[in-house]
Parts: sequence; C-alpha cells; structure tokens
Amino acid sequence: NAGVIQTPRHKVTGKGQEATLWCEPISGHSAVFWYRQTIVQGLEFLTYFRNQAPIDDSGMPKERFSAQMPNQSHSTLKIQSTQPQDSAVYLCASSLGDWGYYAEQFFGPGTRLTVL
Amino acid sequence: GEQVEQLPSILRVQERSSASINCTYENSASNYFPWYKQEPGENPKLIIDIRSNMERKQIQGLIVLLDKKAKRFSLHITDTQPADSAMYFCAASAYQGGSAKLIFGEGTKLTVSS
Repeated sequence: NAGVIQTPRHKVTGKGQEATLWCEPISGHSAVFWYRQTIVQGLEFLTYFRNQAPIDDSGMPKERFSAQMPNQSHSTLKIQSTQPQDSAVYLCASSLGDWGYYAEQFFGPGTRLTVL
Repeated sequence: GEQVEQLPSILRVQERSSASINCTYENSASNYFPWYKQEPGENPKLIIDIRSNMERKQIQGLIVLLDKKAKRFSLHITDTQPADSAMYFCAASAYQGGSAKLIFGEGTKLTVSS
C-alpha cells in the first residue's frame, strides 16, 4: 500500500499564476480531504469528498480556490491567481469512510507551495 | 463554534517522565478525537484516537482521556523517550450527522531530553 500520494511535492509559482495540486487517495478509500498547514494558521480544513461528491467545502476560500474529484483515484486542488499568502503545505488525506470506525484519516506527504 | 484549543504550545520534559497535553472543543456534536504526531518535514501520523462512547483509551504508553461534559480531552505519554520529541496535534470531528472534517488544535511542540 503506497499510502496517499501527492504531486508535486514542491511547487513554486509567481504571483498571479495558477497552481494545480494532485492527490491520489489510498485505494478503496471513499473519503478524500484537503487541509492546509502554515506556521501562523496551523492545520486548516479546506474541503472534502465522499464517493467523489463534494460534502463540505466550508474551509475553502470562496475566491480563487476550487477542488474536484473526477474519479475515485484522484482529486485536484486548483488555486487561480496565486498570492503570497497562499504559500503553505497542502495536505491531502483519505479514509475508508467518513463515519464510525472508518473515520481514521491517513495523510499524504503534502505539497509545499511557495508563491513568490 | 468549532474551535479546538490546545495547551501547552511548548512542552519540555526529561526522559522517562510523563508528558500531558490538553485540548478543549466547542462543538458539542463532536464525537471523534484523534491525536496526530508530526515530525519535521513529515506528514501527520495518527497515534491514538478516542470516540465519544469511551472515556479512556490506552495504547502502550499513550493514554487518552475524554470528558464530554467539560468538552475536554487529553493525551498522556508515559515513560517518554527522545524519539517522542515532535509536534503533537489534537483534533475533533462530528462525523455523525455532521461533517467528518477534522478541526485541529494549534499543536504542542514536545521536546524530551535525555
């Protein structure tokens, strides 16, 4: 089991450019979560999917951020017109389900986004 | 509210002593409380969790206590070793009838000196 895979591991963009981050959940996991980690804000929830359907996007900035899960094997987080304050480690996690004993979330290695 | 407060932010202990981290949560619907350990440059890894139908759980030298009335839960690491040095995060979620998102505490940097 390869665990949650995230690509790229590091991404550097210029201010105003677009960034697309990829996540491949653990095979068989039906729930996929996106979080963001910074020194100042800590670990923040962004959005999550269950069986590819968006369930909760309450943590997503309303402008410039979007997430999709076109199939069960990958999810993308897209940031348009990146700003320096978007610099963070973006973490993807997956779980077997999103309730009961299936709720344990396994984190990927993260994508470190740096916006210059 | 949904905030989770974690204290202390920095904790230094001597090897073989105990370390305790405390968290409080606001959402009374929270029913799942995991603890994650994160080492520098690594992703968070689950070390122990507790659900709202339990008050205490122990896995080897890790003990988690949950007080639902006080909306408080805590991690106790017994017989600490230098390898326990890391960031520790508590989290809460309300997956039953709510969202499975994890709301994290601010983290505790634990240093165990030999």
